[in-house]
Amino acid sequence: IVLTQSPGTLSLSPGERATLSCRASQTVDNSHLAWYQQKRGQAPRLLIYATSSRDTGVPDRFAGSGSGTDFTLTVSRLEPEDFAVYYCQALGGSPMYTFGQGTTVEIK
Amino acid sequence: QMHLLQSGPGLVKPSETLTLICSVSGESVTTTRFFWGWIRQTPGRGLEWIGSIAHGGTSIYNPSLASRVNISLDTSRNQFSLKLRSVTAADTAVYYCANDPLARWGVWGKGTTVTVSS
Repeated sequence: IVLTQSPGTLSLSPGERATLSCRASQTVDNSHLAWYQQKRGQAPRLLIYATSSRDTGVPDRFAGSGSGTDFTLTVSRLEPEDFAVYYCQALGGSPMYTFGQGTTVEIK
Repeated sequence: QMHLLQSGPGLVKPSETLTLICSVSGESVTTTRFFWGWIRQTPGRGLEWIGSIAHGGTSIYNPSLASRVNISLDTSRNQFSLKLRSVTAADTAVYYCANDPLARWGVWGKGTTVTVSS
């Protein structure tokens, strides 16, 4: 499965809404799609799993949605700590786990 | 609370074997609740899954690396390890260990920057 994320970079201001896209080259089971946030010098952090379930401690301004080959991560109102790189990840096919190339959310 | 502590060299010579260890606290590596795995990251290739291992020692690898990779459990030390043979400069990356509850990577180690250079 190849995951293509768009846009590559999103320039927004705090308080604005961020919408990130992840498109798969083949159908992904909804239970097998996750999103991560990565800040510079840190390991990725799991935000969303099974398309729309928030991991423990993840604020409810983060929401995942989608099905089939099109998935979306939405941040309803950007906080200063949300400016980071975001990755989608799918389970399925070969190799078993694949990641998108990432979307950078930067301060406008 | 589960923590993953990575250890291993930051510099490996070409053609040698890279060995990294992930020490698990707060959970047993023999639990049936998780898989354990290794992921690496480079500016050019992004995040790349290397392989995973289950509680019983069954492992599965990325086909692109399978001929050079071995992941194993050490239940006596509550650790799992990565061995990558015949490394080249293309294996220079940040290597992460992590756990997989089901189809996602939940808890991550802090990462080990590995440079392949003579």
